[in-house]
This record gives sequence, C-alpha cells and structure tokens, in this order.
Amino acid sequence: DQQVKQNSPSLSVQEGRISILNCDYTNSMFDYFLWYKKYPAEGPTFLISISSIKDKNEDGRFTVFLNKSAKHLSLHIVPSQPGDSAVYFCAASRYNSGTYKYIFGTGTRLKVLA
Amino acid sequence: GAGVSQSPSNKVTEKGKDVELRCDPISGHTALYWYRQSLGQGLEFLIYFQGNSAPDKSGLPSDRFSAERTGGSVSTLTIQRTQQEDSAVYLCASSHTQGADYGYTFGSGTRLTVV
Repeated sequence: DQQVKQNSPSLSVQEGRISILNCDYTNSMFDYFLWYKKYPAEGPTFLISISSIKDKNEDGRFTVFLNKSAKHLSLHIVPSQPGDSAVYFCAASRYNSGTYKYIFGTGTRLKVLA
Repeated sequence: GAGVSQSPSNKVTEKGKDVELRCDPISGHTALYWYRQSLGQGLEFLIYFQGNSAPDKSGLPSDRFSAERTGGSVSTLTIQRTQQEDSAVYLCASSHTQGADYGYTFGSGTRLTVV
C-alpha cells in the first residue's frame, strides 16, 4: 500500500525553465510534508517543507504547493539549473506520540539540460 | 562529527551470513532513524530511536533484523542470515528533535549486496 506516490519516475527540463515535480498521498491525516534531493552515492538532503496549515512555502528558487483537498503536493524549481539534476523524494508524516515518522515516495529523477 | 557517518559504505556478503551496519549520528541529535532503499523503491522506514525511549521497530521486515543504539549515540543495524532480497542501500538519519520541520540529516548509506 503506497501511501505516498510519485507517479513520474523521470523528468527532463531545459535549463532556465520551470521544473514541476508532483506527489500524491492517500492518508488525509498527514500533516507535514518534506522534499528531499538525492545525488548519486550521497544521502538525501532536506530541501523544503510545508505543514498542512499552509498551502505554499517558498525558499529561493524552490516553492512547494499543497492542495489538501486533492491530497497533492508539488515542488516548483524556477529557474532550473543543471546542478538541480538529482532524484527528488517527497515525504509525508503525521505527528503521532511524539514523533514524525516520514513515509517517502519512490522518487523522480530530474534532468536539467544545459 | 559534522554529518551522519555510516560504515561500511559498501558490503558484499554471502547469503546466510550475518552483517552489521554502523551509524554515527550528528553529535547532540537525539533522534535516529534507519531507512532502506531497494532498487526502484522509495525509502522504506525500518526503525526509530528517540533518546532513552523504547525504539519504534514497526518497520523492521522480519525478526532477522535488529538494531540497537548504545549510549544514545552510535547505532548498529544487524541483519542475520541475510537473503538476496535484503540487498539495498541502508540509510541512517538523525535529527535534533523528533522529525521537526526541517526533516532529518541522512548519511551516505551502506550499499548491501547479498550474493
């Protein structure tokens, strides 16, 4: 039962254009969402987060949008740069008994073409 | 240390052997997590430690898997009688609080190959 889904395994975007990575979830109780970026042979690194009380969070070139009714979040990267080429994971969690235990999607491999 | 350190970075083992994977979290981080990523899969939660509380072992796939965290710092994930389906990248992460809004800091992982 995949509670967090990233239906696009890969995405190619031209440098300077917008990259949009999508993520869907099934559990309406999730209240915190994260995006991670992963380069080969490295651990995932935290990128941006959003709580369920917001519908948008922005950090430089990265913006995360949350649509709770659709159980959908997306990560926008504008403008895309070749260094953004990596695998992006979304993760969702529900605060429970003093812990956030994140469930991750399968990832989307982004390739930014120079 | 400056980051989460995992060792070994790569491990090849024969089916049926036991393996130990080590994680050295960021100093002062009270929460420690183990995840694994099998080929083509997302990050699968295995186990979570928070301070002196009993660990959350709900993600361990079988009783061949166990983990401990000594002195609230270093953690060891042990897989007994390894099987080929155990082949994956095992990732350790730590955080200052219980997940919080800036997520975890991950190590580079241990790539386990069972032959």
